[in-house]
Amino acid sequence: AQTVTQSQPEMSVQEAETVTLSCTYDTSESDYYLFWYKQPPSRQMILVIRQEAYKQQNATENRFSVNFQKAAKSFSLKISDSQLGDAAMYFCAYRRRNNNDMRFGAGTRLTVKP
Amino acid sequence: NAGVTQTPKFQVLKTGQSMTLQCAQDMNHNSMYWYRQDPGMGLRLIYYSASEGTTDKGEVPNGYNVSRLNKREFSLRLESAAPSQTSVYFCASSEVHIMGLFFGSGTQLSVL
Repeated sequence: AQTVTQSQPEMSVQEAETVTLSCTYDTSESDYYLFWYKQPPSRQMILVIRQEAYKQQNATENRFSVNFQKAAKSFSLKISDSQLGDAAMYFCAYRRRNNNDMRFGAGTRLTVKP
Repeated sequence: NAGVTQTPKFQVLKTGQSMTLQCAQDMNHNSMYWYRQDPGMGLRLIYYSASEGTTDKGEVPNGYNVSRLNKREFSLRLESAAPSQTSVYFCASSEVHIMGLFFGSGTQLSVL
């Protein structure tokens, strides 16, 4: 079974600084998708960024970027120029191609200090 | 554009009571899902429906039943609620896997 591990239950960052959230996953598959979701206090799950495993180029969405290391099964999220609105729970997720079961990590709570 | 709509947003039940969580999506997605979220455990899949007329068990299906009423609606039923089912429940939908899941706003359920 595929599992997703987020080893940092909590992280904090100073406003305008950069922070990296870690995620590792376990799979024997070669074709899959990886995601980072943000959950602010409103409870809404918001897709931040996604990565296709067969693409070597790391995905980027404005201030959010990933470091995808397929051999190491690592998928970290970097948030640049952190803003107060970035404070939230962040979940890493894995999904095998053509499979309906998306697996989530336990989450990392990010605090942004003014 | 409403996306995925869940009702109710909050619910308190007594042990043994039953209830149905409703979910509807207006994005014409084929696949729909029910997840539960518990502290320190992320989100875990309860049931999913790959298309209208089909349902399958996920990681934690015990104590739940689902109905895919039509392409838009996917309900989750607790026949006899237990305190262990206290959780936040999310409905989600998707069409193309690479796009990820679109989530509803969640239902906070407490079973006393």
